[in-house]
Amino acid sequence: EAGVAQSPRYKIIEKRQSVAFWCNPISGHATLYWYQQILGQGPKLLIQFQNNGVVDDSQLPKDRFSAERLKGVDSTLKIQPAKLEDSAVYLCASSPGTGQRDTQYFGPGTRLTVL
Amino acid sequence: AQKVTQAQTEISVVEKEDVTLDCVYETRDTTYYLFWYKQPPSGELVFLIRRNSFDEQNEISGRYSWNFQKSTSSFNFTITASQVVDSAVYFCALSEAWRTGTASKLTFGTGTRLQVTL
Repeated sequence: EAGVAQSPRYKIIEKRQSVAFWCNPISGHATLYWYQQILGQGPKLLIQFQNNGVVDDSQLPKDRFSAERLKGVDSTLKIQPAKLEDSAVYLCASSPGTGQRDTQYFGPGTRLTVL
Repeated sequence: AQKVTQAQTEISVVEKEDVTLDCVYETRDTTYYLFWYKQPPSGELVFLIRRNSFDEQNEISGRYSWNFQKSTSSFNFTITASQVVDSAVYFCALSEAWRTGTASKLTFGTGTRLQVTL
């Protein structure tokens, strides 16, 4: 079974530029998550989708971050404009169902550097 | 609010030593799940174990074992006879009860970096 795919793996941009990340979850997984992991910290949830609807985006800086999940499968996360403090690893995860017991499976992440 | 504390920032051991990674959590939920993930230098978080709040049996999987103690709100992870390949950052995480029919989000600790040397 293929895992969670993410691209690109690395991205370097100047501040105020825009950037987009792509995630393809494990086939059939209903729930998709985007996390931000700043160096030396644990991942922090940005947004959670169930199928193609948003469940939780309370931690998403909506003035600059946006995300969508097309047809309940792939997802893109966009930052526009980027700030220096957005430098982090952006992790995508998916889980099979809609219950509290579900295990989340993570992709390899996209390492973003904002100069 | 839920919280996960991993007080050990970094641990260094010599290969074949046993090592225990500590995890203490706080939650008001009566039903919750605890997880351990491994993050090797490649960056991907690898799932290791899930434990629910009603099952306090210790679990062993090869060289890995987990000790869940509800009385002290701890879920510690022990690696027996450590190997260089165990070098990674290990995260403990807690699932948060959410709306019925909705998957939970995870609250992660800050991680413990384990360095195993020859």
